[in-house]
Amino acid sequence: EDQVTQSPEALRLQEGESSSLNCSYTVSGLRGLFWYRQDPGKGPEFLFTLYSAGEEKEKERLKATLTKKESFLHITAPKPEDSATYLCAVQAASSGGSYIPTFGRGTSLIVHP
Amino acid sequence: NAGVTQTPKFQVLKTGQSMTLQCAQDMNHNSMYWYRQDPGMGLRLIYYSASEGTTDKGEVPNGYNVSRLNKREFSLRLESAAPSQTSVYFCASSDRDRVRRGYTFGSGTRLTVV
Repeated sequence: EDQVTQSPEALRLQEGESSSLNCSYTVSGLRGLFWYRQDPGKGPEFLFTLYSAGEEKEKERLKATLTKKESFLHITAPKPEDSATYLCAVQAASSGGSYIPTFGRGTSLIVHP
Repeated sequence: NAGVTQTPKFQVLKTGQSMTLQCAQDMNHNSMYWYRQDPGMGLRLIYYSASEGTTDKGEVPNGYNVSRLNKREFSLRLESAAPSQTSVYFCASSDRDRVRRGYTFGSGTRLTVV
């Protein structure tokens, strides 16, 4: 069974204090790993897709990396507007032709000014 | 703005009542999905439609039905609402041939069943 575990569940940072969120996964054949951002009262918003170990993607203060067992979302010098819940989702070859990803439960990030 | 539109945004139902949640996308995506999101449970797939004319069960389909009305629209029906169906419901769509772009989600329907 495919599993996706995100840690920590919640993270509080001071503005400018860099940190990382973790997404560990157990799947049979990774097709893709996705990161989303979700603001309160809104739907998740797509950030990145990673496909193979060693791959990295960047967007503003966010950088996503991938190994064979986990992905990290690094947040450099965060600002209060980076406060949100960050979701990880994994798409596995075992899902057949449906391409349905398995979502983690998310990390709630609060950045204090 | 292009994207996924869900209606209504909020709804309160009494136990046993029925209702339909509407979803429409204007991105010409093949695939559409219905998720529910509960505190501590993350996003759980209810039903999905890989392409027009097909629907399949997800992780938590009991108590729900869906209709893929056309390529743009995918509705979710609760025939007899129960308090356990109190949740936030999200519709999403994706391009089956461009999976690297991920899903596009609607803004959600917050449903309370009393």
